[in-house]
Amino acid sequence: LAKTTQPISMDSYEGQEVNITCSHNNIATNDYITWYQQFPSQGPRFIIQGYKTKVTNEVASLFIPADRKSSTLSLPRVSLSDTAVYYCLVGDNPGQGFQKLVFGTGTRLLVSP
Amino acid sequence: GAVVSQHPSRVICKSGTSVKIECRSLDFQATTMFWYRQFPKKSLMLMATSNEGSKATYEQGVEKDKFLINHASLTLSTLTVTSAHPEDSSFYICSAEDSSSGNTIYFGEGSWLTVV
Repeated sequence: LAKTTQPISMDSYEGQEVNITCSHNNIATNDYITWYQQFPSQGPRFIIQGYKTKVTNEVASLFIPADRKSSTLSLPRVSLSDTAVYYCLVGDNPGQGFQKLVFGTGTRLLVSP
Repeated sequence: GAVVSQHPSRVICKSGTSVKIECRSLDFQATTMFWYRQFPKKSLMLMATSNEGSKATYEQGVEKDKFLINHASLTLSTLTVTSAHPEDSSFYICSAEDSSSGNTIYFGEGSWLTVV
């Protein structure tokens, strides 16, 4: 299982860009990197997924270096509503046609006014 | 994006009874679904992998006779907590893999179980 390591918590202010970096040194060739956001008492919400280089969607960007041993989630101009826990996951493909996601500790982001 | 729905969102049951939680993929078929539990301020813990038409695969330390998983169709998996005890009270979350969109995994809204 690829293990991920991310900061336990981060603080930011409204309007700032937030970058959360995740380490996944043992990522396998077939693994994708996926980031989720979770609010209290809700299921995780998909943010972005990538395999290599850079991926951008309407809410975030994901930067993945060539060795894929880390990734950085970039949230532009955060607002108070971005206060949540952010999880970085890499899929474990047990050879049965699906990937299994095992959650790490996540990063608790607090956005202040 | 794809939608995964859980029902009920909240349930209270008495000790010793059983309770069933449903997980449905609303706009895609999912041969594989996953069940997690989460305690307050903790991360999600994978309980089992639910495979359509076959037995679920349980993670180490998860009692398969206590947490019965059935995946009878490509859009529905159920988790039944049998002979519930107060320590089973938790937030249960399911997820489903959408193989038509890069194997992205989507999560349900979660179900709060309180055993009294």
